[in-house]
Amino acid sequence: DIQMTQSPSSVSAAVGDRVTITCRASQDISSWLAWYQQKPGKAPKLLMYAASSLQSGVPSRFRGSGSGTDFTLTISSLQPEDFATYYCQQANSFPITFGQGTRLEIK
Amino acid sequence: QVQLVESGGGVVQPGRSLRLSCEASGFTFSNFGMHWVRQAPGEGLEWMAVISFQGTNAYYGDSVKGRFTISRDNSKNTLYLQMNSLRPEDTAMYYCAKVRDSSSWNEAFDIWGQGTMVTVSS
Repeated sequence: DIQMTQSPSSVSAAVGDRVTITCRASQDISSWLAWYQQKPGKAPKLLMYAASSLQSGVPSRFRGSGSGTDFTLTISSLQPEDFATYYCQQANSFPITFGQGTRLEIK
Repeated sequence: QVQLVESGGGVVQPGRSLRLSCEASGFTFSNFGMHWVRQAPGEGLEWMAVISFQGTNAYYGDSVKGRFTISRDNSKNTLYLQMNSLRPEDTAMYYCAKVRDSSSWNEAFDIWGQGTMVTVSS
């Protein structure tokens, strides 16, 4: 199975800050990576697919990059609604696996 | 409006069975692979199973292989998860999810249901 490791596990930031979350795959997954945002009590929401493609309706302050084993999600200017937990997911092969999550908290 | 609505969750004793349903609307259900994902309380996301758009192929995560069965009825726009031999560690919110691209069944999930809670306890 492909292991997905996110860092950091949690991060505190202020509105307007730039935040970067990283995700590392245990083997090459090409660009088969997605990022999700989840707020308490809600289902996950797709932000990015194919590592760097922005899902329709997602603000352009979200940016994904990377390929192979190393990926990043950057939020360029944090807004109040961005404080949530973020997950990466590999879709290169079954079983599909998720990172453990990164909790983004308000400083 | 594209929507997935899960149902069938509840409290069940260890060793018993439960069947979850996921009703789709707003898109051509029969064109898309579908997945089940679960989330234990306070924990991360765990992928469970996938079924191809025609329902002829499926894959499972190791933790549920041999106990859970994914199926679909395209005439009813409904996805199912039959869960047998339930264990306390199966306690979680169960989500169904649609793949973003109809040409691939291992893809990002663009639509998720609201989830249905399963609690396995004596």
